Amino acid sequence: AQSVTQPDIHITVSEGASLELRCNYSYGATPYLFWYVQSPGQGLQLLLKYFSGDTLVQGIKGFEAEFKRSQSSFNLRKPSVHWSDAAEYFCAVGPRAGGFKTIFGAGTRLFVKA
Amino acid sequence: KAGVTQTPRYLIKTRGQQVTLSCSPISGHRSVSWYQQTPGQGLQFLFEYFSETQRNKGNFPGRFSGRQFSNSRSEMNVSTLELGDSALYLCASSGASGVITDTQYFGPGTRLTVL
Repeated sequence: AQSVTQPDIHITVSEGASLELRCNYSYGATPYLFWYVQSPGQGLQLLLKYFSGDTLVQGIKGFEAEFKRSQSSFNLRKPSVHWSDAAEYFCAVGPRAGGFKTIFGAGTRLFVKA
Repeated sequence: KAGVTQTPRYLIKTRGQQVTLSCSPISGHRSVSWYQQTPGQGLQFLFEYFSETQRNKGNFPGRFSGRQFSNSRSEMNVSTLELGDSALYLCASSGASGVITDTQYFGPGTRLTVL
């Protein structure tokens, strides 16, 4: 079955500290991979995506993610967290052909403490 | 350029009623996808339309249906509402080519409450 696992329901980090959000997927073939962020009361915003090539992907707001095929993982990182990063983060996968049929993980809520 | 707009933003219905939600994609976008977001099930894919044709469908009962018009605007309909249909319904649009390498832009959602 196709699925995305985000093992951490919530994470608390101090402002200025580094962040890593974990994501593992189960898919028939290598999918396209995404990270989205959702702030309270808002829709989703794409942070970054991986299709092919360099397995370290840079995104917006200083985020990056690394694709590891052998571990079926696509972890999101940020070297220094800002209070405005507090939000819910979703890892997602989609097929390489045939349009959109995105599967989302359950999300990780990030809390940032001063 | 205006973003994805969804109307209405909030809706309250009673069990057994039906509801229609509307989504206007970004100008020029031809792919529109719908998602249901609930605390228990998370974000789940409902269906995707591209050039007025349903291209993909998630695992939802037939009570959930949709359509897309020639101007790419899309509607989704839920008939015979159940309490479990209470959710945030998100619409997303993507570019003219409709390939997954296009970025999906999400609207703010319609919050449906079923009483």
